Amino acid sequence: NAGVTQTPKFQVLKTGQSMTLQCAQDMNHNSMYWYRQDPGMGLRLIYYSASEGTTDKGEVPNGYNVSRLNKREFSLRLESAAPSQTSVYFCASSEQGRDEKLFFGSGTQLSVL
Amino acid sequence: QKEVEQNSGPLSVPEGAIASLNCTYSDRGSQSFFWYRQYSGKSPELIMFIYSNGDKEDGRFTAQLNKASQYVSLLIRDSQPSDSATYLCAVNLLQIQGAQKLVFGQGTRLTINP
Repeated sequence: NAGVTQTPKFQVLKTGQSMTLQCAQDMNHNSMYWYRQDPGMGLRLIYYSASEGTTDKGEVPNGYNVSRLNKREFSLRLESAAPSQTSVYFCASSEQGRDEKLFFGSGTQLSVL
Repeated sequence: QKEVEQNSGPLSVPEGAIASLNCTYSDRGSQSFFWYRQYSGKSPELIMFIYSNGDKEDGRFTAQLNKASQYVSLLIRDSQPSDSATYLCAVNLLQIQGAQKLVFGQGTRLTINP
C-alpha cells in the first residue's frame, strides 16, 4: 500500500518553462489537495478536488492549473514558471468528513531559476 | 492578521519536561482543529485533532481547545528527543462537498535537549 505518491521528487526549471507535478493515491479517497510550503509560511492550499470531476481554488491559485484525471490522480501544472514558485509542493488526500486526516505525499522540491 | 498564528520558535525544552505549543485563530466559524508534526525534510503527519472545547488526551499528547478565546494548544508530556520537529497547527474553516479547506499556521520548531 503506497499511500500518496508524488513525482518528481526534485525539479529545476528556468523562468518561463512549464511542467506538471503528478500525484496518485491508492486509498480510494474522494478528496485530494495541492499545497505549497515556503520557509516561515506553513502550508498554503493551492487547489483542491472534493471529488472526481470537481476542482476548486485554494488560498494561492495564481500561476497554477490542476486536473483531476480520475479518482486516483490529481496533477498540478505550472504553465510559465516564475522564481516566486520556488517551493516544496505537497499533494495530499483524505476521506470525506470534518475530522478526516490528510495523508501527504513525500513532496516535490521545485527550484525556478 | 494571519488566520492561524503560531510562535515560530525555536522552542527548546529539556528531555522529560512538558512542551507547550500554542496556536490562535481568527475565524470564529472554525469547526475543527488539527496538530501535524513534520520532521525536517519529511511530509506532515497528523498527531491529533479536536473539535470540542476542553482537553483531549492521546498517550503523551494533550490537545486543548478554547473556542471563546480562539486558542488551541498541544502539550507533550515526558518530552523525548524524537519529539524534535516542527509542529503545525491547522484549522478547518470550511468543508465543501466533504473536502477540508485547512489553513495552517507557520509552524513551531521544537527541540528537545537530552
